[in-house]
Amino acid sequence: DSGVTQTPKHLITATGQRVTLRCSPRSGDLSVYWYQQSLDQGLQFLIQYYNGEERAKGNILERFSAQQFPDLHSELNLSSLELGDSALYFCASSVDRYNEQFFGPGTRLTVL
Amino acid sequence: GESVGLHLPTLSVQEGDNSIINCAYSNSASDYFIWYKQESGKGPQFIIDIRSNMDKRQGQRVTVLLNKTVKHLSLQIAATQPGDSAVYFCAEINNNAGNMLTFGGGTRLMVKP
Repeated sequence: DSGVTQTPKHLITATGQRVTLRCSPRSGDLSVYWYQQSLDQGLQFLIQYYNGEERAKGNILERFSAQQFPDLHSELNLSSLELGDSALYFCASSVDRYNEQFFGPGTRLTVL
Repeated sequence: GESVGLHLPTLSVQEGDNSIINCAYSNSASDYFIWYKQESGKGPQFIIDIRSNMDKRQGQRVTVLLNKTVKHLSLQIAATQPGDSAVYFCAEINNNAGNMLTFGGGTRLMVKP
């Protein structure tokens, strides 16, 4: 158990819908990262937050957004969902911006 | 864009043998490399890391080798066990560009009893 929690574990929804994925980092970790893992693209970095502020952006679509709250938990919002958004979404956390990242168990999103 | 080892080969080894998993990276500015293990239904789990000022690092049953000349990273697992069966990813970080991990495509390791 990495200490990073993610909810829900599974999510099934329809195209055009909007969902919110939640992540609680390890106690004491200030940095949160979101990654997408799909069959054709592998593991890809989406976005990073550090102590509530956005720090880095990767291959994140404009339909996706994220935030980190004062209690350091983070949410990833996916809107106007398409079939191709079906993937595993992982959250990771680290103590600061330059330390080892610990991954959560992931949320499996299925868009029908 | 720059990438890290975008294929997913499968390595099948006999229990007790040594395993070597390879990874090519293309960003010469990367200064930190990590190997992750991902079991079915779980998130990636840190195995071992190495900084660019080193060429070898050993852990418990695992060794990572870094060859910056040819931009190659390898993970050696000694006395492979059934519990080592998983997908292994190499990842790189350019600390001057933040802490985001750029992952390779992964290698599936299958250990035959």
